[in-house]
Amino acid sequence: KAGVTQTPRYLIKTRGQQVTLSCSPISGHRSVSWYQQTPGQGLQFLFEYFSETQRNKGNFPGRFSGRQFSNSRSEMNVSTLELGDSALYLCASSPSDREGSEQYFGPGTRLTVT
Amino acid sequence: GNSVTQMEGPVTLSEEAFLTINCTYTATGYPSLFWYVQYPGEGLQLLLKATKADDKGSNKGFEATYRKETTSFHLEKGSVQVSDSAVYFCALPGGSYIPTFGRGTSLIVHP
Repeated sequence: KAGVTQTPRYLIKTRGQQVTLSCSPISGHRSVSWYQQTPGQGLQFLFEYFSETQRNKGNFPGRFSGRQFSNSRSEMNVSTLELGDSALYLCASSPSDREGSEQYFGPGTRLTVT
Repeated sequence: GNSVTQMEGPVTLSEEAFLTINCTYTATGYPSLFWYVQYPGEGLQLLLKATKADDKGSNKGFEATYRKETTSFHLEKGSVQVSDSAVYFCALPGGSYIPTFGRGTSLIVHP
């Protein structure tokens, strides 16, 4: 079974631009979560989607948004990019929304904002 | 809210040494507990988990026991290898609360 895939793997953008990242979960997984990983803040939860509905949201500004499609694929969007948005963005899928379900992570998208 | 505290790294060991990475947590109720591992250039992989108090999770020679009384879930391995060099994360899962990860502990194993 194929793992979680994320595209693109690397991205360079300029301040003020917007960016869309894509995630394809493991087949059959309906829950998709997004995380931001930086050396300073560690791994921080952005949001989780289950069956096209946002189930949980972390403490990030409204510039960060996401959505999930009927095939469980998910995208996240960051508008008006700032230098501090440079990070590794990780997507994780889970087979259910049951409490305590383990997550399967993709390799991440490395975003650099200049 | 929930929180996870794990020891600062890097932890530097020689091959075949004993490893302990401490993890304590604050949570409502008795959630499952996880250890994830991240190898360079990759995403996180689930290493082991425990779903209730006194459970011991184990995988690839790593072990961790869910201690409710000390709210801890320390990771141990009896004999580390160079290939174990990675960053290890202790985590509380999502569900009613957002998933919470520790800051990560970098392990460097020298031959």
